[in-house]
Amino acid sequence: RKEVEQDPGPFNVPEGATVAFNCTYSNSASQSFFWYRQDCRKEPKLLMSVYSSGNEDGRFTAQLNRASQYISLLIRDSKLSDSATYLCVVNNQAGTALIFGKGTTLSVSS
Amino acid sequence: DAGITQSPRHKVTETGTPVTLRCHQTENHRYMYWYRQDPGHGLRLIHYSYGVKDTDKGEVSDGYSVSRSKTEDFLLTLESATSSQTSVYFCAISEGVGRATDTQYFGPGTRLTVL
Repeated sequence: RKEVEQDPGPFNVPEGATVAFNCTYSNSASQSFFWYRQDCRKEPKLLMSVYSSGNEDGRFTAQLNRASQYISLLIRDSKLSDSATYLCVVNNQAGTALIFGKGTTLSVSS
Repeated sequence: DAGITQSPRHKVTETGTPVTLRCHQTENHRYMYWYRQDPGHGLRLIHYSYGVKDTDKGEVSDGYSVSRSKTEDFLLTLESATSSQTSVYFCAISEGVGRATDTQYFGPGTRLTVL
C-alpha cells in the first residue's frame, strides 16, 4: 500500500450536492491527519485537521477510521467555490514529516 | 495568512547553472520545509530545517542543498540545475512544538523552468 492514497477523480458534481472523498494510509502508527485544499496554480491551504472522534467545520466533516486506516472528507451543499484539489495528509512512519496524497479534484458546476 | 514569502516567484534558467530560492517567514516558526510539486507525484519533501543550522534530508534531496543561518530564512540551492528539476517549489513552515508533524503553512510557490 502506498503511504497515502487518494482517488484522483475528478469528481464532477452540481451545486448543492453532497460529495465524499476517501483516503487510505499505510502507517498504522500515524498520529497527525489533515485535509488541505489547493486551488489551481496556488499553494496548499489547511482545510481542517482530522481528530479521532471526527470533526465538523460548517459544511465540511472529517472522519478518521484507525482500524481500517482511512480518512474521509464530506462536503455538504457544494458551492462553486469548493472546486479545487483536496489533499489528504498523514505523518510519516518516523514521525518526522508529513506525507501528502496526490489529491482528489472536485469540480462543482451550476 | 501566515507570513511566508518566496523569491523569486518565477525563474527560467539553463541547465548547469546554479539557482538559489529563498523562503522568508515572519512567524518565528521553528520548522521550515522545501517541497517540489510535479504532475503525477504530488508534493514531495526535499529538505527541512528544525532550527538555525539544523537541517535534514527529505524524500527527494539529491541535487539540492539547503541552508538556514537565521530563523526567518531558509534557502534552497540547486548547485547545477537539470531539466528534471523543472517544477513548482513550495516552502512551508510549522510551529513544531516538539514535533515535525504539526500543521504546515505554505508560501505562494516558485515556478522554476530549467531549459
